[in-house]
Amino acid sequence: AQSVTQLGSHVSVSEGALVLLRCNYSSSVPPYLFWYVQYPNQGLQLLLKYTSAATLVKGINGFEAEFKKSETSFHLTKPSAHMSDAAEYFCAVSDNSGYALNFGKGTSLLVTP
Amino acid sequence: NAGVTQTPKFRVLKTGQSMTLLCAQDMNHEYMYWYRQDPGMGLRLIHYSVGEGTTAKGEVPDGYNVSRLKKQNFLLGLESAAPSQTSVYFCASSYGATGTGFEQYFGPGTRLTVT
Repeated sequence: AQSVTQLGSHVSVSEGALVLLRCNYSSSVPPYLFWYVQYPNQGLQLLLKYTSAATLVKGINGFEAEFKKSETSFHLTKPSAHMSDAAEYFCAVSDNSGYALNFGKGTSLLVTP
Repeated sequence: NAGVTQTPKFRVLKTGQSMTLLCAQDMNHEYMYWYRQDPGMGLRLIHYSVGEGTTAKGEVPDGYNVSRLKKQNFLLGLESAAPSQTSVYFCASSYGATGTGFEQYFGPGTRLTVT
């Protein structure tokens, strides 16, 4: 079964510091992986996706993620955190049906001045 | 383009009441989905549709029904609401299947409280 695990339900960084949000996947087939961001009281917005074209994927707002098959990971990074990055982040993988997504439980990012 | 819209944004129901949540998309997407979001649980799939007139069960379908009579609309019904259905409901749509790399676009959500 395709699933993802997000390590750390809460992550706190200082403004300007590196952001690292962890996601590990389990999949019996080559996975399609997604990172979404949810700002308070809003819907989810796609940050980036991995579709096997390139292992380093660049997304919106300066975020990027690297697909590492050997580590079954797809961690999200940003070199320098901004206050506006404070939000909930979800990693997701295409589910068994191939139609929908299996989401991780989410990581809440807090950015302190 | 409005994208994916949901009606209503908020609703309070008493146990046993019924209601319908409406999702509409103007992107001509074939696939539509209903998820629920609960604290610490991420999003869980309730039902989905791969085209007009089709529906299928997701991970947590009990207590819900859906209909897709028009391509642009996907309705989620609660026939007899229970407190366990208190949640935030998100609708999403996509041009193609996630298993072929297509992303989903999400609506703003409906916050439902059942007392």
